[in-house]
Amino acid sequence: QSALTQPASVSGSPGQSITISCTGTSSDVGGYNYVSWYQQHPGKAPKLMIHDVSNRPSGVSDRFSGSKSGNTASLTISGLQTEDEADYYCSSYTSSRTRVFGGGTKLTVL
Amino acid sequence: EVQLLESGGGLVQPGGSLRLSCATSGFTLSTSGMTWVRQAPGKGLEWVSSISPSGDSIYYADSVKGRFTISRDNSKNTLYLQMNSLRVEDTAAYYCARGGVIRAIYDYWGQGTLVTVSS
Repeated sequence: QSALTQPASVSGSPGQSITISCTGTSSDVGGYNYVSWYQQHPGKAPKLMIHDVSNRPSGVSDRFSGSKSGNTASLTISGLQTEDEADYYCSSYTSSRTRVFGGGTKLTVL
Repeated sequence: EVQLLESGGGLVQPGGSLRLSCATSGFTLSTSGMTWVRQAPGKGLEWVSSISPSGDSIYYADSVKGRFTISRDNSKNTLYLQMNSLRVEDTAAYYCARGGVIRAIYDYWGQGTLVTVSS
């Protein structure tokens, strides 16, 4: 199972909005509404930010939103804050009854 | 408070074995799917294995199938990962997370335990 494709890095200034893409195939992202997104700060465990494509867990800021179109899922962060600087990973269920993660995207808040 | 605490990591030679444990508290383990995720140094996350609440459904990544075995003891509130025939490329921090393979709502994670495979 190949990893989902994410941009290696994105950047933005405080207050701006950014979008991170996550591209798979019809056998994973495109075939199921089971895409989740995780935030990971250096040396820390990942934190769930979005599940089931667009659902935000309790306690996660509403500045984070998720969507999907075809084989590509997206995470949008609005009103960027310095604490948003982290690595972000998408993940999807697959037709092989496994999970696959994206390669990760490093977000830099300039 | 939900807590997950991994243990059992360490240095092992190629071809060797280790058993990781994930002690859980603050929730009813028998009602939760559980998952192992690993992260090689400086690399991204890799899903390793998931197990259903009762243990009757088990899933593995191709990279570990036939070498790793996931199991659980709900009476001891503990998840396990038996790792055999270890390879250098298995070197990683191993995290346990609450959640299964389908929806993967990994809402709680342990702090990770480091496995180093080296001669």
